[in-house]
Amino acid sequence: AQSVTQLDSQVPVFEEAPVELRCNYSSSVSVYLFWYVQYPNQGLQLLLKYLSGSTLVKGINGFEAEFNKSQTSFHLRKPSVHISDTAEYFCAVSDNAGGTSYGKLTFGQGTILTVHP
Amino acid sequence: DTGVSQDPRHKITKRGQNVTFRCDPISEHNRLYWYRQTLGQGPEFLTYFQNEAQLEKSRLLSDRFSAERPKGSFSTLEIQRTEQGDSAMYLCASSSVGGAGYGYTFGSGTRLTVV
Repeated sequence: AQSVTQLDSQVPVFEEAPVELRCNYSSSVSVYLFWYVQYPNQGLQLLLKYLSGSTLVKGINGFEAEFNKSQTSFHLRKPSVHISDTAEYFCAVSDNAGGTSYGKLTFGQGTILTVHP
Repeated sequence: DTGVSQDPRHKITKRGQNVTFRCDPISEHNRLYWYRQTLGQGPEFLTYFQNEAQLEKSRLLSDRFSAERPKGSFSTLEIQRTEQGDSAMYLCASSSVGGAGYGYTFGSGTRLTVV
C-alpha cells in the first residue's frame, strides 16, 4: 500500500516570489511520482512526473520537482510565481512494479496555492 | 483528439434516486479509470478498465455503484439509491498501455450533488 502526505494544506505567496510545495510518500515498492494541478471546477492537468533517471524533473509552466529517495520526498518548486498559478496542487504516486498495479494513482490531500499581487 | 469527455458536468439529484455518468476516453487509450474527489480531498481510485474488462474495483465502490465499459470504448458509472455522502466530483481518466507512467489524461469531471 502507498500513501502520500502533502505537508501544507494552504500556501499563500506574493507574486514573483519563489514557492515550494512539499510532498512525502510511503511505499514498500519503487514508485512513479507525479504532480497535478487543478483549477476550479476542472479536471487535473499533469505538471510533471518522475519515472527514473535524473532526480530533478522539469515540467510545464516553469515548475520543477526533485525526487529524494532517502527522504521519500518529491517537493515541487517554482522560482517566481504568477497570479495565474493560483490553483490546487496534488502530489500522487503509482507503483511501477508492474503486475496488477494497473497504474492507479494514490493522491495526497492537496495544497491550495494562492498568489497575491 | 478532443481529450477525455465527461457528461453531464453537473448533476443535482434527490436522495434515493439513481444517476448515471458517462465518460468518453481518448480513442486510442485502452485503459480507463474512475476516481472520486470529495471536497478538500485528493481524488480516490474507484475502478479500472482495460478495454472492456473491469480489472480492479476499490472497496469504496459499494454494491450501489456499478461501472461498465461495453466494447472497450465509452464507460458509464451508475449510482443507485443515492445518499448525501455520494456528493462529490467523479473524475474519469484514460491512458495508453503502461498506465500512470505514460501519463493519464483526466476529464473535467461530473459534480454530483445529492439533496
